[in-house]
Order: sequence, then C-alpha cells, then structure tokens
Amino acid sequence: DAGITQSPRYKITETGRQVTLMCHQTWSHSYMFWYRQDLGHGLRLIYYSAAADITDKGEVPDGYVVSRSKTENFPLTLESATRSQTSVYFCASRFGQGNQPQHFGDGTRLSIL
Amino acid sequence: DQQVKQNSPSLSVQEGRISILNCDYTNSMFDYFLWYKKYPAEGPTFLISISSIKDKNEDGRFTVFLNKSAKHLSLHIVPSQPGDSAVYFCAASGGSNYKLTFGKGTLLTVNP
Repeated sequence: DAGITQSPRYKITETGRQVTLMCHQTWSHSYMFWYRQDLGHGLRLIYYSAAADITDKGEVPDGYVVSRSKTENFPLTLESATRSQTSVYFCASRFGQGNQPQHFGDGTRLSIL
Repeated sequence: DQQVKQNSPSLSVQEGRISILNCDYTNSMFDYFLWYKKYPAEGPTFLISISSIKDKNEDGRFTVFLNKSAKHLSLHIVPSQPGDSAVYFCAASGGSNYKLTFGKGTLLTVNP
C-alpha cells in the first residue's frame, strides 16, 4: 500500500532554473493539494485540484504551475526558481465529498542557490 | 490575517501527565477541525478531527474539544508519552472546496 509518494525527496537547484516536483497517489482520491512549509508560517496552500483537469489557486500560487492530466498525479512546477521558493513542499490528497482528512506525503526539501 | 492561531510555539510536559494544546480561529465559516502530528523529515499525519456539530471527540489517549462560541479548540493527550514529542498542527476547513487552513504549529516535548 504505497499511499502518496513524492519525488525527489531532496533537490538543490539554481535560481532561474525550472524544477518539477512529483506527487503520486494510489488511492484514487479526487482532491489533491500542494503546500509549502516555512519557519514561522506553518503550512500554506499553493494549489489544489478537485479532479483531473480541474485546478485552482491557493494562498501562495505566484511562481508555481500545476497540472492534473491523470487522477493519480499532481506535479508542481517552478518555472523560474527563486531563492524565496526554498522550502519544504508537501503534497496531500483526500477522498471526495464530506468531512474527510487530507493525507500527506513525506515532502520534498527544495534548496535554491 | 491569520485565521487559525496556535499561540504557543512550544510546550514541555512530563511523561504520564496531560498535554493540552490550544488553537483559536477567527473564521465563522469553519465547520470541520483537525489535528495533525508531524515528526522531523516526515509529512503531517492525521490524528483526530471534529465536526462543528459536536463539542468533543475521543480516540484513545487523544481528545479534541470544540468551543464554538469562543472559536477555540484544544487537543488533550492523556497520558503523554515520549513518542508523542512532535509538532502538532491545528487545521480548519469550511464550505465546499475542502481547503485546509493551518496554524503555525506547537512543538510538544514529552520528557521521560
């Protein structure tokens, strides 16, 4: 039972580069989410998706792009990385309607030099 | 505008005693509240939740209390164990988009 997996777990890149963080879930959950965790801010929502081909902005979407062509995958792309995007990124998913918890992956630690 | 607040960045308790973690919210539309536990280098793990139609929910050593009039919820851990040492996040959602708004977290340390 793999659940939700993120790759890579660690990534170092340079400013201006494009980088894509991958998220894959095996539960067929409808909803998927991307968060970033920074000291002093807790977890902040970047983007979310209610189903394949349906995405919407969260609290801090600037500088990020998402897509969801398949239910199980929800990649997050930084088109031109900046130092302020150095963070730990978490992907989460949840099952359909009603009050349900989100379940998180183990995160990607991204450093931008 | 912080809609979910955890005013205590850290809490230290002795093993076997009660741990009480607090959370306040400002958005009256929130109707579902959750607590997550997070260990270093791991993702947040769902712990317990409560709907706004209840004022208490219990799961083993963990109990969440909700006071809607005060817009306050708390997580009680009894008895506390060293393995409970982690960062605890309070989260809330409301409406149909199921987005979660998180507090900044409280680091709980349980001393043997």
